[in-house]
Amino acid sequence: GAGVSQSPSNKVTEKGKDVELRCDPISGHTALYWYRQRLGQGLEFLIYFQGNSAPDKSGLPSDRFSAERTGESVSTLTIQRTQQEDSAVYLCASRGQGSLYGYTFGSGTRLTVV
Amino acid sequence: KQEVTQIPAALSVPEGENLVLNCSFTDSAIYNLQWFRQDPGKGLTSLLLIQSSQREQTSGRLNASLDKSSGRSTLYIAASQPGDSATYLCAVIKAAGNKLTFGGGTRVLVKP
Repeated sequence: GAGVSQSPSNKVTEKGKDVELRCDPISGHTALYWYRQRLGQGLEFLIYFQGNSAPDKSGLPSDRFSAERTGESVSTLTIQRTQQEDSAVYLCASRGQGSLYGYTFGSGTRLTVV
Repeated sequence: KQEVTQIPAALSVPEGENLVLNCSFTDSAIYNLQWFRQDPGKGLTSLLLIQSSQREQTSGRLNASLDKSSGRSTLYIAASQPGDSATYLCAVIKAAGNKLTFGGGTRVLVKP
């Protein structure tokens, strides 16, 4: 597609439930990133996929968080046993190869844990 | 560890004034630097990308400069408009394919 697509745009869930967030990157972009932005705060790196390489999971805050990516296409971020502190906007970005390509972000998924 | 700082954190100007937004980073070994705009409740919109070999990029009323040796970038917005009100974020990338490190942003309000 023309841009990075994320779904759902909004999600309200009860504490303790699992949620799955989806990201469709720009076609042909080999790199995909997940970031989290809590209310009034900056962007926190979560995880990074590059082609078939092992993902960089160094930003995942706990083992309740996991992400998968199928080849160079869709990625899903899963949060198990959600907590109120997980409430945030989850942003996905993709990037093509080479220094000419910047990052393109999706509109994000606003997650509210009640 | 790369740290990115944006000063000021907030800025309010009357319409028509030029805006100057500052970004500094601690590790000058960057691959490129990107400026983004974020509107309330929305995702990020890319404004300008400056490769490490470049000193500036321009797009319309926007101009961004990069001084790697001093670890600084400046975003200039000429003749500001109320529609320019948003949060502006700078981010650096250390190496190709590596993750972005973001500054905390500058929240801009342009008053009509």
